[in-house]
Amino acid sequence: EAQVTQNPRYLITVTGKKLTVTCSQNMNHEYMSWYRQDPGLGLRQIYYSMNVEVTDKGDVPEGYKVSRKEKRNFPLILESPSPNQTSLYFCASSPGVGQGAANSPLHFGNGTRLTVT
Amino acid sequence: GDSVTQMEGPVTLSEEAFLTINCTYTATGYPSLFWYVQYPGEGLQLLLKATKADDKGSNKGFEATYRKETTSFHLEKGSVQVSDSAVYFCALKNVRSGGSNYKLTFGKGTLLTVNP
Repeated sequence: EAQVTQNPRYLITVTGKKLTVTCSQNMNHEYMSWYRQDPGLGLRQIYYSMNVEVTDKGDVPEGYKVSRKEKRNFPLILESPSPNQTSLYFCASSPGVGQGAANSPLHFGNGTRLTVT
Repeated sequence: GDSVTQMEGPVTLSEEAFLTINCTYTATGYPSLFWYVQYPGEGLQLLLKATKADDKGSNKGFEATYRKETTSFHLEKGSVQVSDSAVYFCALKNVRSGGSNYKLTFGKGTLLTVNP
């Protein structure tokens, strides 16, 4: 089954304790991205990656890092989490250029609900 | 920059009522348009899409038509069910303005509750 898998689904941590949220897709998609969802703000893009070793900032990148060492994986790293990073996080993937990028939808994972105390 | 505006919720309807959720957009060029649905506790699922003017996307009884003249993509369903209760997001993808970033620009979402 084609899917985007995120782990963990729920995470409670304390300020300053480094954490990683994993994301993996099995559709051979070139493009991957992270979003956060907050009440009243909708979904906002954090980082994206066009392909292996190619990443760039989205609209709200502060306090986050990503890496793309393999095509299927795109982990989100919070080096020193703060309470304002409490949110619902979604990983997504889609075909890239040459794969029909313009008209292709994003495929989303089931989300990771992060609470930072 | 690109933006999507959708009607504020929450929307509460009785089963079998007609549903409209308005969505308008601002974008350069010719974006692709999408409706996503988020059921409680789940991720976003693609509901339907349209990639050019006058295209009609449809799925599970929902429809939306890409109207370039009014820059709109309103979601409609003739008879809603309790199982349609969810948050609905309108979104656009604009490869022209996004450059190498194939991101979706989302509206803020509309919560729909359908009562039996």
